[in-house]
Amino acid sequence: KNQVEQSPQSLIILEGKNCTLQCNYTVSPFSNLRWYKQDTGRGPVSLTIMTFSENTKSNGRYTATLDADTKQSSLHITASQLSDSASYICVVSANNAGNMLTFGGGTRLMVKP
Amino acid sequence: NAGVTQTPKFRILKIGQSMTLQCTQDMNHNYMYWYRQDPGMGLKLIYYSVGAGITDKGEVPNGYNVSRSTTEDFPLRLELAAPSQTSVYFCASTPRGADTQYFGPGTRLTVL
Repeated sequence: KNQVEQSPQSLIILEGKNCTLQCNYTVSPFSNLRWYKQDTGRGPVSLTIMTFSENTKSNGRYTATLDADTKQSSLHITASQLSDSASYICVVSANNAGNMLTFGGGTRLMVKP
Repeated sequence: NAGVTQTPKFRILKIGQSMTLQCTQDMNHNYMYWYRQDPGMGLKLIYYSVGAGITDKGEVPNGYNVSRSTTEDFPLRLELAAPSQTSVYFCASTPRGADTQYFGPGTRLTVL
């Protein structure tokens, strides 16, 4: 069964600090891995998307890494801001009809001043 | 572009009632999806469509129906609402299956 596990479930950090969120997956056949940011009461918004051959991808202060051998990904947030408070969702796409997505449960990040 | 729009934003239903959740996108995307998100859980795919006239079941289709008569619209129908269908429903679209999905703002549904 395709699964995506994220850790930690929740995290509180001080403004300006860095943090790293983890994602482990068992999805086959693998197509790509995405990180989404979901603000409270809103739909998810894409941050990065990585295919099998990509190890790292950045989007401003967000840097995602992918190790396709160990089936792990991380999202690193640099110099956190209050607006980074949100849920971060790891999503893995299978290479099948409709490119089905398997969603992780998310990490809820709170950035405090 | 308005992107993906969903109506209503909130709805309370009684057990056994029916309703249709509307989803429209103005980006001419071929692929459209319906997800539900339960508290603290990942999104689960209900139904998806790869183009007008074509729909297929996702992971949790029971209790729901969809239609795709146009590229723009992908309504989700609940025929006999049950408390287990209390959730937040998100519609999404993408030009191709492997591309980034664009999500609507969600519909929060409560069944009492």
